[in-house]
Amino acid sequence: KNQVEQSPQSLIILEGKNCTLQCNYTVSPFSNLRWYKQDTGRGPVSLTIMTFSENTKSNGRYTATLDADTKQSSLHITASQLSDSASYICVASQIGTGTASKLTFGTGTRLQVTL
Amino acid sequence: DAEITQSPRHKITETGRQVTLACHQTWNHNNMFWYRQDLGHGLRLIHYSYGVQDTNKGEVSDGYSVSRSNTEDLPLTLESAASSQTSVYFCASSEGQSEIQYFGPGTRLLVL
Repeated sequence: KNQVEQSPQSLIILEGKNCTLQCNYTVSPFSNLRWYKQDTGRGPVSLTIMTFSENTKSNGRYTATLDADTKQSSLHITASQLSDSASYICVASQIGTGTASKLTFGTGTRLQVTL
Repeated sequence: DAEITQSPRHKITETGRQVTLACHQTWNHNNMFWYRQDLGHGLRLIHYSYGVQDTNKGEVSDGYSVSRSNTEDLPLTLESAASSQTSVYFCASSEGQSEIQYFGPGTRLLVL
């Protein structure tokens, strides 16, 4: 069964601090690993997409890593800001039979950045 | 700018009523998707379409239907709303296997 597990479920950090969110996945055949940011009351927005051959990818203060051998990914947020308060969703993609990938979503890590 | 919109943003309905949620995208994407998001679950796929006149069932399709008469729109219909269908519904679109899925703002549906 395809699964994506994220940890921690929630996290509170002080503004300016760094944090790392974890993701373990079981998806086959694996295509790529995605991280989305979802603000309260809004739809998810893509942060990064990594294929199995990519170990790391950055998007500003967000850096995602991928270890396709251990089926683990992490999202590192540097110098956090209040606007980083959101849910971060890990998504594992498997090769689909049509023109779109089949996605398995994690339940997300709820991050709160405080003063 | 290209975008994906959903309407209504909030809806309250009664058990047994038919409800249609609208999704409109101006990306000109062939792929469109409907998901539901519930506490304790990741986003779950309801239906998806690879192009005009194409529709496919996702993992939680019972009680839902879609139709694709043009590239821009994929309306989601709840044939006879049930309390278990109270959820937040997201529409998304993409172009190609490895392309980003762009999500709409969501529709919060309450079935009483």
